[in-house]
Amino acid sequence: EDQVTQSPEALRLQEGESSSLNCSYTVSGLRGLFWYRQDPGKGPEFLFTLYSAGEEKEKERLKATLTKKESFLHITAPKPEDSATYLCAVLGLANQAGTALIFGKGTTLSVSS
Amino acid sequence: DVKVTQSSRYLVKRTGEKVFLECVQDMDHENMFWYRQDPGLGLRLIYFSYDVKMKEKGDIPEGYSVSREKKERFSLILESASTNQTSMYLCASSSRLYGYTFGSGTRLTVV
Repeated sequence: EDQVTQSPEALRLQEGESSSLNCSYTVSGLRGLFWYRQDPGKGPEFLFTLYSAGEEKEKERLKATLTKKESFLHITAPKPEDSATYLCAVLGLANQAGTALIFGKGTTLSVSS
Repeated sequence: DVKVTQSSRYLVKRTGEKVFLECVQDMDHENMFWYRQDPGLGLRLIYFSYDVKMKEKGDIPEGYSVSREKKERFSLILESASTNQTSMYLCASSSRLYGYTFGSGTRLTVV
């Protein structure tokens, strides 16, 4: 069964204090790993898709990396506006006829000034 | 930009009512999904559809049904609302080219 585990559940940082969020996954044939940002009361907003081990993508202060077992979302010098819940999801060969994402429970990041 | 629009941001319904949640996407996506999101449980797939009039059960379909009569519209139906269906409901659509896009969500409270 495909599974996604995110850690930590919650993370508190000071502004400028870099850190990483972890997403561990087990999937039968990874077709893609997705990172989303979700603000309270809103729908998830797409950040990145990673397709193969070794791939990296960057956007502003965020950088996502992928290995065969996990993905990291690195946050460099975060600002208070980076506070949100970050969701990781996978799409595998055996997922629900191959189209539905399987989500982790998310990491809630709080950045204080 | 791809848009996925959910008809209501907030809904309050009574136990036993039949509830319709509507979702419309404007980019001709083949696939559409309904998830619910609860604290500590994350997003769980209720139903999805890969074509008009086609539907597949997700992980938690009990108490729900869906309808997709047109490609752009995917409706979630709570046949007889219960308090344990109080949740945030998220609709998404996807295509090979554009990935997955979510709506803003509907927060449903059943009293």
